[in-house]
Amino acid sequence: SQELEQSPQSLIVQEGKNLTINCTSSKTLYGLYWYKQKYGEGLIFLMMLQKGGEEKSHEKITAKLDEKKQQSSLHITASQPSHAGIYLCGADWKPGKLIFGQGTTLQVKP
Amino acid sequence: EAQVTQNPRYLITVTGKKLTVTCSQNMNHEYMSWYRQDPGLGLRQIYYSMNVEVTDKGDVPEGYKVSRKEKRNFPLILESPSPNQTSLYFCASSSASSTDTQYFGPGTRLTVL
Repeated sequence: SQELEQSPQSLIVQEGKNLTINCTSSKTLYGLYWYKQKYGEGLIFLMMLQKGGEEKSHEKITAKLDEKKQQSSLHITASQPSHAGIYLCGADWKPGKLIFGQGTTLQVKP
Repeated sequence: EAQVTQNPRYLITVTGKKLTVTCSQNMNHEYMSWYRQDPGLGLRQIYYSMNVEVTDKGDVPEGYKVSRKEKRNFPLILESPSPNQTSLYFCASSSASSTDTQYFGPGTRLTVL
């Protein structure tokens, strides 16, 4: 079955440090999505990657999709307390039918 | 203001009593979808719709029904709710362009006793 492996499960970083979250699929993806969620609240869409080698940035968050379209990384530069939350990757192999990774809980210590 | 609304936000019900959770978007989006989120199981897709009258199963469709009679609405129907459907439910929408922003509703916390 198609699955997404997300790592690490949790991350504690000092404010100002950089960090990376990874998302790996066993098969080539149609699209890869990144979301952020505050505990118990709704999801915020961060960005979507579709082309092999694609890279997108939003403020201090950069996401990349590898050439094979099986692995993505989310990189946060100079982390701030506002970056704390749960980061989820999602993917579809058929347009519209999404599955999600287990999430990465990020804490940023002031 | 672009938004996805869900109603109700909180619901406590009993086993077997039919209920509907409504989802509405004001952005003329083609794509809408329902998810449930459970501790330890993460976020899972229930049903999705690529356009009016076009719906398809997600990962966990059992026990749920949906309809897409008009573009703005995508209700989730639980014909005979059971305790294992106690969960946090999210509705989302986006345009047909795959790179466009997805918008999520605020969530509906459902408890089935």
